[in-house]
Amino acid sequence: AQSVTQLDSHVSVSEGTPVLLRCNYSSSYSPSLFWYVQHPNKGLQLLLKYTSAATLVKGINGFEAEFKKSETSFHLTKPSAHMSDAAEYFCVVRTSYNTDKLIFGTGTRLQVFP
Amino acid sequence: DTAVSQTPKYLVTQMGNDKSIKCEQNLGHDTMYWYKQDSKKFLKIMFSYNNKELIINETVPNRFSPKSPDKAHLNLHINSLELGDSAVYFCASSLDPGIGNTIYFGEGSWLTVV
Repeated sequence: AQSVTQLDSHVSVSEGTPVLLRCNYSSSYSPSLFWYVQHPNKGLQLLLKYTSAATLVKGINGFEAEFKKSETSFHLTKPSAHMSDAAEYFCVVRTSYNTDKLIFGTGTRLQVFP
Repeated sequence: DTAVSQTPKYLVTQMGNDKSIKCEQNLGHDTMYWYKQDSKKFLKIMFSYNNKELIINETVPNRFSPKSPDKAHLNLHINSLELGDSAVYFCASSLDPGIGNTIYFGEGSWLTVV
């Protein structure tokens, strides 16, 4: 079975400091991995995705993530947080077993303090 | 131009009523989805359609009936609404079910059953 674990339900950082949102996945098949962001009362926006090409993936708004197969991780990072980054972040896996279905993590709420 | 649009954005209705949520995508995609986000922000797939054909029905009560009149539309009809149906419903689309394809989400429809 496929699953995604987001290790932190809440992360708080100060503006200008680095952001790390952790994600581990479980899959018996080759996965594609995604990070989506949801701002309050808004839809889901794709930040970045990994699809078996380069393991370090750069996304929008300065975010990036590294696929580490040996650690089954896909952590999301950003060097310097902005106030506008405050939102809910979802790590998502999609596997070759059932490509039509996204498996979502439970989300990490990022708070950014001035 | 909105890629995936769904209406209404907010819906408050009484138990027992029947309601519909409409979804349209202008991306030329073959595959459309409905996802449900519960009060804890957990997202789970409900249905998937490819070229108007049902691909996934994720053990959703048969009070929920999706209808795809053409590839660009996937509407969700809910009969005999229950309190537990209160959630945010997201429509989404992708080019096809390919593992690396991005799934684009609409802004969500906030359903409250009273």
